Amino acid sequence: GESVGLHLPTLSVQEGDNSIINCAYSNSASDYFIWYKQESGKGPQFIIDIRSNMDKRQGQRVTVLLNKTVKHLSLQIAATQPGDSAVYFCAETYDKIIFGKGTRLHILP
Amino acid sequence: DGGITQSPKYLFRKEGQNVTLSCEQNLNHDAMYWYRQDPGQGLRLIYYSQIVNDFQKGDIAEGYSVSREKKESFPLTVTSAQKNPTAFYLCASSMILAANEQFFGPGTRLTVL
Repeated sequence: GESVGLHLPTLSVQEGDNSIINCAYSNSASDYFIWYKQESGKGPQFIIDIRSNMDKRQGQRVTVLLNKTVKHLSLQIAATQPGDSAVYFCAETYDKIIFGKGTRLHILP
Repeated sequence: DGGITQSPKYLFRKEGQNVTLSCEQNLNHDAMYWYRQDPGQGLRLIYYSQIVNDFQKGDIAEGYSVSREKKESFPLTVTSAQKNPTAFYLCASSMILAANEQFFGPGTRLTVL
């Protein structure tokens, strides 16, 4: 069945380093892949999406990579800051959005 | 200030009681959604509405009910039939159904005593 999951539940990164958050998906027919950020006690916030016919998309300090061969999605955050501390969800859309379980990003001082 | 609001932020109820969670948006979005989030879990879709006076069951609709009488409002009722209602409930809206960018409210944490 459809599923979106993550390789690591928690990721600890030194402040200033780059962060890479990974996600595996199973539905080859998904149209878009999306990343959301959820800070503690708040609702998720859209970060960036990528269409299924692309393999890379860049935003402000973030890059999403899509590898359809191995059904893998990643979010790269450059120069990680304390404000990046959150849970990051990947999601995929076909006829609806399906969210993964999330990875917690912890920033080390 | 455009956005989506949920109230209350924390809600306690006794077993056997129905409770209604409020969700309001002033973004002029057609689509609205309710999700449930359990600790360490992703978001699971309870109900969604594409347009006023229309709503559809999501993946875990049992024990919940909704209404969409106004474009701005999409209240969720957690009924006594919901066996495990303690959770964090998130409301969201988007311009159209299944748009990639959904705007989420701050959530309501419901605890059943």
